[in-house]
Amino acid sequence: QKEVEQDPGPLSVPEGAIVSLNCTYSNSAFQYFMWYRQYSRKGPELLMYTYSSGNKEDGRFTAQVDKSSKYISLFIRDSQPSDSATYLCATRSSGSARQLTFGSGTQLTVLP
Amino acid sequence: NAGVTQTPKFRVLKTGQSMTLLCAQDMNHEYMYWYRQDPGMGLRLIHYSVGEGTTAKGEVPDGYNVSRLKKQNFLLGLESAAPSQTSVYFCASSWTVEGETQYFGPGTRLLVL
Repeated sequence: QKEVEQDPGPLSVPEGAIVSLNCTYSNSAFQYFMWYRQYSRKGPELLMYTYSSGNKEDGRFTAQVDKSSKYISLFIRDSQPSDSATYLCATRSSGSARQLTFGSGTQLTVLP
Repeated sequence: NAGVTQTPKFRVLKTGQSMTLLCAQDMNHEYMYWYRQDPGMGLRLIHYSVGEGTTAKGEVPDGYNVSRLKKQNFLLGLESAAPSQTSVYFCASSWTVEGETQYFGPGTRLLVL
């Protein structure tokens, strides 16, 4: 079983829709949770970062972590065609190596 | 600032050939990482370095070697390439402060025939 599971999609939504992207993880030691966005043929870039449980909002993006159920979510409001990308969840535990464990990514297309 | 750069962008190798991928960062980051990305597998850590002169194994280190002779550079070597090493390779770097993010390079596409 992978430590981080993510539905690969693909997911297509119309412009303006609310998008929900999700991951589950198995390791209780994970404390840091991230969402990376990766455009086609580009490197991943950090979109959202949260520590422990709770919500974090940044513009149209909201990251949510529920440690009791080991569930990570990213919500995109008023989705735009420019949001079309692959979204990767990532987690890590405290430690000196800062090693990240990634989900496999969800490919999102926002149709104009 | 260029951030994280990777050389080359694309390479085709024959089975058994060797090559070195170069990663450079100009952000004075202590930590550097090499990942591979395969369809359906996400990003998997190959090797990483916590400072100049140090290296350590990640999740999938077999068939690869690394060196960090200078703080700004992290080299990934394939001594005898195999078709299973066909992948997209990403380098990343980060600070040491707790909670920092990793900054990724644009990737190197490698095809091993």
